[in-house]
Amino acid sequence: GENVEQHPSTLSVQEGDSAVIKCTYSDSASNYFPWYKQELGKGPQLIIDIRSNVGEKKDQRIAVTLNKTAKHFSLHITETQPEDSAVYFCAASKRGAQKLVFGQGTRLTINP
Amino acid sequence: NAGVTQTPKFQVLKTGQSMTLQCAQDMNHNSMYWYRQDPGMGLRLIYYSASEGTTDKGEVPNGYNVSRLNKREFSLRLESAAPSQTSVYFCAIRTDTDTQYFGPGTRLTVL
Repeated sequence: GENVEQHPSTLSVQEGDSAVIKCTYSDSASNYFPWYKQELGKGPQLIIDIRSNVGEKKDQRIAVTLNKTAKHFSLHITETQPEDSAVYFCAASKRGAQKLVFGQGTRLTINP
Repeated sequence: NAGVTQTPKFQVLKTGQSMTLQCAQDMNHNSMYWYRQDPGMGLRLIYYSASEGTTDKGEVPNGYNVSRLNKREFSLRLESAAPSQTSVYFCAIRTDTDTQYFGPGTRLTVL
């Protein structure tokens, strides 16, 4: 079955700098890759996703890149702000599959 | 939380007590899920329902039962709660484009 590895487990950056979180997946048939942000005491919130027919997707300060050959995808946050501090999860699934396979999570801390 | 509601928000139980966690959606999606998240950990799938009337086990189903009462509601029952079931429980729905949206969670403590 699919396995998703996420790195790093913790990340601390200065406000205004960029943050990058990376995930690798094992099943080459996976074609849907969402990213979730979880703030303290709240449920995971979808922030961006990408499908295997594109290599990059941007939404304001957030971008996701996908390398299908290497089977990895990354979340990029530019111009980080204190409100970006949270736990971020990546996930992967195949089209029509009932289950998402999640990474272990990255705790991102933005230092003022 | 994209139309996914969960009740209660908090619950404290004694070992051996039973309770049912409720989840409801207002978006008419077929698939619904129950996850648990232990402190500092990721999400683990307990059970899911691909459509009304069907349920399937996930990664950690032991100690739990589920009911898909109708298309809108999916409940999770603990028949005899144990301290190991202390966790935060999230319900989620899946859209036709594979995206999952999560509810706000139920924080359960078993003493």
